[in-house]
Amino acid sequence: VQLVESGGGLIQPGGSLRLSCAVSGLTVSSNNMSWVRQAPGRGLEWVSVIYTGDSSDYADAVRGRFIISRDNSKNTVYLQMASLRAEDTAVYFCARHYVEEVEWFGELRYTDVWGKGTAVTVSS
Amino acid sequence: DIQMTQSPSSLSASIGDTVTITCRASQSIGGFLNWYQQRPGKAPKLLMFAVSALQSGVPARFSGYVSGTDFFLTISGLQPEDFATYYCQQTYSSPPWTFGQGTRVEIK
Repeated sequence: VQLVESGGGLIQPGGSLRLSCAVSGLTVSSNNMSWVRQAPGRGLEWVSVIYTGDSSDYADAVRGRFIISRDNSKNTVYLQMASLRAEDTAVYFCARHYVEEVEWFGELRYTDVWGKGTAVTVSS
Repeated sequence: DIQMTQSPSSLSASIGDTVTITCRASQSIGGFLNWYQQRPGKAPKLLMFAVSALQSGVPARFSGYVSGTDFFLTISGLQPEDFATYYCQQTYSSPPWTFGQGTRVEIK
């Protein structure tokens, strides 16, 4: 399984950028796919998820500005980012949010496959 | 949103030591607690899910347990490759699935 992010770079405040996550070894339409970011020297921050049923969810910090989507024919997940701010500067990781119903626990939920990340810098 | 508070933020230890990292949830999250390891410049790696279930390939020196809303990650017999930053994450109910702020384990 491999997740390869691309599309990062330097962008001015207020600008837009689209990140891509090309996936091999698993089918994006059959998996919940997430974006997690990490600002320089900071911890991990969950950003967004797209579910197998096409619904999605967002962190409050990005809701209304970011849109997650996928192209099943390309097996690729996207994060369209608009109205970018300095605080959006981070490495953005694409990841699989795994969900499985098991008898001994119920519904397991964890992020088990990660890409290497793509860096986004918002600065003038 | 559920807040996850990790402690300590960093610790120094020697090879062979046993260390424990704590993660406290701001409310009950059942057993929906996962642990990740991140080495510098690398992506996070899943260590453990559902409090104490080891991900495939993770050594048995890693263990986890819970007491109420306090979750613990113990590394018994630190190895050189264990020096990294560790994060807890809750996946209880709906997003956001918040992470703790991380605990950096350094070589003494």
